[in-house]
Amino acid sequence: AQTVTQSQPEMSVQEAETVTLSCTYDTSESDYYLFWYKQPPSRQMILVIRQEAYKQQNATENRFSVNFQKAAKSFSLKISDSQLGDAAMYFCAYNTDKLIFGTGTRLQVFP
Amino acid sequence: GAGVSQTPSNKVTEKGKYVELRCDPISGHTALYWYRQSLGQGPEFLIYFQGTGAADDSGLPNDRFFAVRPEGSVSTLKIQRTERGDSAVYLCASSPRLATDTQYFGPGTRLTVL
Repeated sequence: AQTVTQSQPEMSVQEAETVTLSCTYDTSESDYYLFWYKQPPSRQMILVIRQEAYKQQNATENRFSVNFQKAAKSFSLKISDSQLGDAAMYFCAYNTDKLIFGTGTRLQVFP
Repeated sequence: GAGVSQTPSNKVTEKGKYVELRCDPISGHTALYWYRQSLGQGPEFLIYFQGTGAADDSGLPNDRFFAVRPEGSVSTLKIQRTERGDSAVYLCASSPRLATDTQYFGPGTRLTVL
């Protein structure tokens, strides 16, 4: 069975600094998709970034980028120039036909 | 365009009662998913619809849980004889077609069973 592990329950960062959130997963599949979702207190899950496993190039969306290491089954999220609005729960998720989520990392951003 | 909507936003019920939770997906999205998120956890898959049919209901915890999508658009998650352990946020998501397409989530329904 596929599993997703986020080993950092909480992280904090100073505004304008960079922070990296870790995620590892376990699967025997070769073709799959990985996601990072953000969940603010409003509960709405918001897509941050998506990575296709067959692509070697790391996905980037503005200040958000990933470090995808397929052999190591690692998928970390880097947030550059952190902003107060980035404070939220961040969930890593694996998908072949349904999303399997990690337990989340709570990110605090300090001014 | 409009995103995924869910009603009600919050539902409080008593143990043993029946509840219905509604999800209205993004227009044109054929795939629809239900997830359950307990406090301090990530969402857990319940059921996936492709059109009107349930393509995968392996996440439904027991036969008290049932979901329908009769016209391939709106879906209703039904819970019979609610238990205190059913208390959670129920999230709905939709995607354009394939299960591997990006899923877009609604704001969730917080269910509290007293």
